[in-house]
Order: sequence, then C-alpha cells, then structure tokens
Amino acid sequence: AQRVTQPEKLLSVFKGAPVELKCNYSYSGSPELFWYVQYSRQRLQLLLRHISRESIKGFTADLNKGETSFHLKKPFAQEEDSAMYYCALVIGSGNQFYFGTGTSLTVIP
Amino acid sequence: NAGVTQTPKFRILKIGQSMTLQCAQDMNHNYMYWYRQDPGMGLKLIYYSVGAGITDKGEVPNGYNVSRSTTEDFPLRLELAAPSQTSVYFCASIPSGETGELFFGEGSRLTVL
Repeated sequence: AQRVTQPEKLLSVFKGAPVELKCNYSYSGSPELFWYVQYSRQRLQLLLRHISRESIKGFTADLNKGETSFHLKKPFAQEEDSAMYYCALVIGSGNQFYFGTGTSLTVIP
Repeated sequence: NAGVTQTPKFRILKIGQSMTLQCAQDMNHNYMYWYRQDPGMGLKLIYYSVGAGITDKGEVPNGYNVSRSTTEDFPLRLELAAPSQTSVYFCASIPSGETGELFFGEGSRLTVL
C-alpha cells in the first residue's frame, strides 16, 4: 500500500507565481515527514522536515494531521526551484524512509 | 569526508548476469539503505541495515541480496539480472538514533538488456 501519495507528476508555474506541491500520507502513528529535492545532476538532498518548522529557500510545509497532508508551498517561485521533489515518511525502528512518486516542478521564466 | 560513495556509476548487464553495486560511507553512520528509482514510481526501498551484521528487507527486495560486514560498506548484489531491474540505484545513510537527514550517494544507473 502506498504510504505517501504525491498526486501531481508534473507541475509547471510561472516565475513569481505561488507554488504548492501536494503530499498526503497514510500512517496510523505519529508521522515524521520530510521533503527531499533533486536538482538536475545533483544528489537527492533534504529540503525540510516538519519537526523543525522552518523555511528553507522560501519553502514551507505544514503537517495537517486531520487531512493527513504535508503540502510544500512557496509564495513566489524562482527558476532555480525547478527540480524533482519527493515527500517522505519515516516509520519503524529502522528509520525506514518511504518516498512518494515525486513531482517534477518546472518554473517558467 | 567523501560522504556516501557508490560504484559503478553506470553499468550494462545482460540478462542472467550477476553483479554487485558497491556503497561506502565514511561518516560512521549505522543506518544504511538501498533504493531504486524508476520513472513515475519514485524511490522504493530495497533493503536496509541498522548496523554491521544486521539487514532487513524493504518494499521490493526480490532479486537482490545485501550484506553488512562493516559499518562502512553496504553492497547490493543482483543475482540473475532481469530487464525489470533496469533502474537507478541509490544508497543512503543516516546516523543511528536520529530521524533526520538521509545522505545519498550519486546513484548507479543499471541497464539490463
């Protein structure tokens, strides 16, 4: 069963427009959620985690337990935000990270 | 620190051949993982290890084997390669006791023909 769902495979927005990448999860326990990003020709890297409640590169994400969502938002998209974004859920004593299918974001100049 | 190092970066295999993807980390991380990344499918966990001598199956372990004889190394073995194993493979690690940042390798692109 898919634990993490990212409904949009592709998302295009114009530079300066708001962007929201959706993530829903399925887990009965207390979730730990992350957003990872993969820029072209770079390694997968952590963008932000829900525990820290911080803003990284202008992105924020709020955990909504009622809607089981962890959507990633940025008010004004930049061209350098074009990348593949993965939502991830961590469960288990082995720190098992379960990733969504990813959303490819393209910011149009 | 080199971080997480994977070799080879690219490999073409014939159906039925075997090979080992190497993964090494120099950060003294106890937890290590192997993922495969397929277009439109995201990353799927193949195997993971919480320390030397301990391994466990992830979501898609069939057709693969792993071992963890040292903290540093976590090789992934493909026996009898099949076209369905064509993918990009990523190794990752994290310190034990933390639910935090996964450190990824650069990936190994494997094609089975």
